[in-house]
Amino acid sequence: SQQGEEDPQALSIQEGENATMNCSYKTSINNLQWYRQNSGRGLVHLILIRSNEREKHSGRLRVTLDTSKKSSSLLITASRAADTASYFCATFGGGGFKTIFGAGTRLFVKA
Amino acid sequence: EAQVTQNPRYLITVTGKKLTVTCSQNMNHEYMSWYRQDPGLGLRQIYYSMNVEVTDKGDVPEGYKVSRKEKRNFPLILESPSPNQTSLYFCASSLEGPQFSTDTQYFGPGTRLTVL
Repeated sequence: SQQGEEDPQALSIQEGENATMNCSYKTSINNLQWYRQNSGRGLVHLILIRSNEREKHSGRLRVTLDTSKKSSSLLITASRAADTASYFCATFGGGGFKTIFGAGTRLFVKA
Repeated sequence: EAQVTQNPRYLITVTGKKLTVTCSQNMNHEYMSWYRQDPGLGLRQIYYSMNVEVTDKGDVPEGYKVSRKEKRNFPLILESPSPNQTSLYFCASSLEGPQFSTDTQYFGPGTRLTVL
């Protein structure tokens, strides 16, 4: 199956530091989205970036998209302990109406 | 409150005993989808539905069935569950579907299934 890949798989930082997660994908896309999951619960949508956009901001989140490299990054600035969660990228497109999720990055923010 | 609900939340069953996991959304969404989540593999799409009576396979459809007889409901059926279907299952819905560049998915709370 075609699946995105997040990098790193796990990340541990101190509160106040920035956290950067990367996502690569394999097909052309309509958009790319980032989701957050707290400990086995349902995913919550964070931010969407369209294929014709290069950068997008939402509060402490900054997402970039490089369609030539088929990659995206999620930056969380001034992280808080409450940001501890798993983060997933999801892509749409590449034929059909499937949704492809990456394996996720587990972020741990130490207080 | 706008939400996606799933039932049951937890289920332990035995191999071969047919089961159904229900999913319902109250947002009049057209697109609904089922995913399974396994450690280290992220979420993998099982089936999705673009609208009533329109369903299609995701990446891992083997061993599952779905139906979409009403817009709000999208049950997942395991006709003969096997231990390799032990997983955490999520239902999700979105207004129009991923072909629209601004569409986002809303997720249910998950169903943890164990097949012995």
